[in-house]
Amino acid sequence: GQNIDQPTEMTATEGAIVQINCTYQTSGFNGLFWYQQHAGEAPTFLSYNVLDGLEEKGRFSSFLSRSKGYSYLLLKELQMKDSASYLCAVPMDSNYQLIWGAGTKLIIKP
Amino acid sequence: NAGVTQTPKFRVLKTGQSMTLLCAQDMNHEYMYWYRQDPGMGLRLIHYSVGEGTTAKGEVPDGYNVSRLKKQNFLLGLESAAPSQTSVYFCASAGTGLADTQYFGPGTRLTVL
Repeated sequence: GQNIDQPTEMTATEGAIVQINCTYQTSGFNGLFWYQQHAGEAPTFLSYNVLDGLEEKGRFSSFLSRSKGYSYLLLKELQMKDSASYLCAVPMDSNYQLIWGAGTKLIIKP
Repeated sequence: NAGVTQTPKFRVLKTGQSMTLLCAQDMNHEYMYWYRQDPGMGLRLIHYSVGEGTTAKGEVPDGYNVSRLKKQNFLLGLESAAPSQTSVYFCASAGTGLADTQYFGPGTRLTVL
């Protein structure tokens, strides 16, 4: 079957670095998405990886290893506004749907 | 450019009542989706559409119906609301299919008493 796993909650300190992991199982592969969702708001797109390696976008980077079925989101120089849930998602094999992880709630402490 | 909008933002229903949630997008996207999000769970797909006049079932379609009469609009109907349908409902749209970014509306918070 197809499945995504993420840690439920993580805590980090303002100014630090945090890595949020995502493991997935799919029979095919069509890329992996990361979305950010602040409490009470809609998810917003952060990144899309289809090839192995690290992609950097400012303070946020996303890494993918297709052979290991593994991705992580790296957040640097953490700010209080980074407190949010981070959702990992992969397209299903044969149609136009995404499989979503339950999300990782990131708590930033001063 | 409004993106994806949803109406209403909040609603309280009694068991057995019906209602329709409206989603509208102004990005000329082909694909539209209805999700529900419950605490501790990921987004679950209710129904989706790959173009005007088409609809398909997602992971949790029971108790819901949808229609896509116009490309820009995607309606979600609850014929006879149940407390288990208390949730936050998100609509999303995407330009193309499988690997395209989905853009979300602000959500509708529905409580069924």
